[in-house]
Amino acid sequence: AQSVTQPDIHITVSEGASLELRCNYSYGATPYLFWYVQSPGQGLQLLLKYFSGDTLVQGIKGFEAEFKRSQSSFNLRKPSVHWSDAAEYFCAVGAGRDAGGTSYGKLTFGQGTILTVHP
Amino acid sequence: ETGVTQTPRHLVMGMTNKKSLKCEQHLGHNAMYWYKQSAKKPLELMFVYSLEERVENNSVPSRFSPECPNSSHLFLHLHTLQPEDSALYLCASSQNTGDGYTFGSGTRLTVV
Repeated sequence: AQSVTQPDIHITVSEGASLELRCNYSYGATPYLFWYVQSPGQGLQLLLKYFSGDTLVQGIKGFEAEFKRSQSSFNLRKPSVHWSDAAEYFCAVGAGRDAGGTSYGKLTFGQGTILTVHP
Repeated sequence: ETGVTQTPRHLVMGMTNKKSLKCEQHLGHNAMYWYKQSAKKPLELMFVYSLEERVENNSVPSRFSPECPNSSHLFLHLHTLQPEDSALYLCASSQNTGDGYTFGSGTRLTVV
């Protein structure tokens, strides 16, 4: 069974500082990995995804994430945080259909990390 | 424009009421999902429909009844809810290739 752990429930950074949100996954094969962001009272928006190839993936809003198979990690980074980045961030893992996953591409989500940005 | 539309955005209902949440997607996806998101709790997967058939029901109480009449629409019928059912209900859709979900903006449900 696949699982996702986000070790940090809440992170606070100053505006302009760098950011790294941690994500560790458990999956037997090469996973499909995702980061989503959720503003209060809103749905989840996809930031970026990794399927294969280059282990450093670029996403929207200046975010990037790096897949490290040896560490079973997919950490999200941003070099300089803006106040508008304050939100909750979810890491998710899935098994693409070709990888023998479910017939509908089910994702498993982590518990989320709440990001607070100080001015 | 997320491609997944949920209505209503907000709903207040009494415990004896019957109401329905609606989700609509025009992305050509063939799987749809209902999630419950309560304060300080992880996302809870409630139901999954793939090709209009229910393929997962994660021990959800019978006062929640899903319906998927076609690949573009998903409903969640609610009756005799409890105050602890107050939450943000999120709909999502996906293709069966595992490319990830597209979420709606959610319905904020308050049971009084």
